[in-house]
Amino acid sequence: DAGVTQSPTHLIKTRGQQVTLRCSPISGHKSVSWYQQVLGQGPQFIFQYYEKEERGRGNFPDRFSARQFPNYSSELNVNALLLGDSALYLCASSLASGQMRTDTQYFGPGTRLTVL
Amino acid sequence: AQSVAQPEDQVNVAEGNPLTVKCTYSVSGNPYLFWYVQYPNRGLQFLLKYITGDNLVKGSYGFEAEFNKSQTSFHLKKPSALVSDSALYFCAVSPYTGGFKTIFGAGTRLFVKA
Repeated sequence: DAGVTQSPTHLIKTRGQQVTLRCSPISGHKSVSWYQQVLGQGPQFIFQYYEKEERGRGNFPDRFSARQFPNYSSELNVNALLLGDSALYLCASSLASGQMRTDTQYFGPGTRLTVL
Repeated sequence: AQSVAQPEDQVNVAEGNPLTVKCTYSVSGNPYLFWYVQYPNRGLQFLLKYITGDNLVKGSYGFEAEFNKSQTSFHLKKPSALVSDSALYFCAVSPYTGGFKTIFGAGTRLFVKA
């Protein structure tokens, strides 16, 4: 089975622009989470979606938004890009068959965003 | 505040020797604890998790971790290190209360020398 896929692999934007990142979960997984990983740091939780609804949100500004589609894929949008938004953006999927806090998350390879 | 600490930026060990990567946490209520590994230019891979029950958890690739509630620790261990274990290791916690989120530590880089 295919793992979590993310597109694009790399992206270069300039300050003030907007970006959309995409994620397809493992088949059968219903929950998707997004993380930002700045170089040299651990992943920072941005959002978790389940059944198209936001179930968790980290400490990120309103410039960050996301949505989940009926096929459980997801998009992360970032508006008004800042230099500090340069990072690896990771998507993770999980089964969400019960207690989601205990679910194993399966990560995609990430999208490397560079803001100039 | 809820947090995860990995006190060592880097751990060096010789191949064949036992390894330990340390993790401590601070959350309210019972924690759900995870270890992930990241290889260069790749996403994170799941190693093991503690939910409840036996304090010693066995995971992938011969790794294990010990949950110690009194010391709020969840150290990752392996009896005999391999060169191929060299990677970046992350400890994470999902708090029992509040909205869903996963908190990751800053990571520990493991170097295994042949």
